[in-house]
Amino acid sequence: QQQVKQSPQSLIVQKGGISIINCAYENTAFDYFPWYQQFPGKGPALLIAIRPDVSEKKEGRFTISFNKSAKQFSLHIMDSQPGDSATYFCAASMSGTASKLTFGTGTRLQVTL
Amino acid sequence: DTAVSQTPKYLVTQMGNDKSIKCEQNLGHDTMYWYKQDSKKFLKIMFSYNNKELIINETVPNRFSPKSPDKAHLNLHINSLELGDSAVYFCASSQDLGGRSTFGPGTRLTVL
Repeated sequence: QQQVKQSPQSLIVQKGGISIINCAYENTAFDYFPWYQQFPGKGPALLIAIRPDVSEKKEGRFTISFNKSAKQFSLHIMDSQPGDSATYFCAASMSGTASKLTFGTGTRLQVTL
Repeated sequence: DTAVSQTPKYLVTQMGNDKSIKCEQNLGHDTMYWYKQDSKKFLKIMFSYNNKELIINETVPNRFSPKSPDKAHLNLHINSLELGDSAVYFCASSQDLGGRSTFGPGTRLTVL
C-alpha cells in the first residue's frame, strides 16, 4: 500500500526550464509535507516543506503548491540548473508518537544544457 | 561539523554474518530513525527511537536489532545477514516527532 504516490519517475528538463514533480497522498492525518533532494552517494537533504494550513510556500527557486481538498502537492523548480540534477522525494508525516516520514517513490531529474 | 554521522560508509560481508552500523547525531535531537533504501531507491522507515525509547518498529525481521545507548546514538545490529539485506541504510534525527529530519550519509551494505 503506497500511501504517497509520486510522478513522474524521471524527468528531463532543459536549463532554464521549469521542473514539476507531483505527489498525492491518502492519509488525511498527514500534517507535514517535505521534499528531499538526494545526490548520488549522499543522504537525502531537506529542500523545502509545507504544512496544510497554507497553499503555497516559496524558497528561492523552489515552490511547493499544496491542494488539501485534492490531497495533492507538487514541487516546482524554476530556472532549473544542471546542479539541480538529483533524485527528489516527496514525503508526508503526521504529528504524534508514532510519527515517521512516508516517502514517495522518487523522481530522477536531469537538467540538460 | 557533521550533524548526523554513520560508520562504516561501506560494508561488504558474507551471508550469515553479523554486522553493526553506528550512528551519532550532534544536533541535540530527541528522535532518531533508521531508514532502508533499496536498489530502486525506495526509502522506508525501519525503526524510530525517542529519548532512547523504541516507538516505531516497522515490521522489520527480528534479525535487525536497534540499540540506543543515549539520545545521541542509535546503532543497528543485523544478525544472520541475507542477500536481501543489501541496501543503503540511513540514520536520521529530528527534534519533533514527524518533523524536519536530518539524514546521515548512509551505509551501503552488500551481502555476498
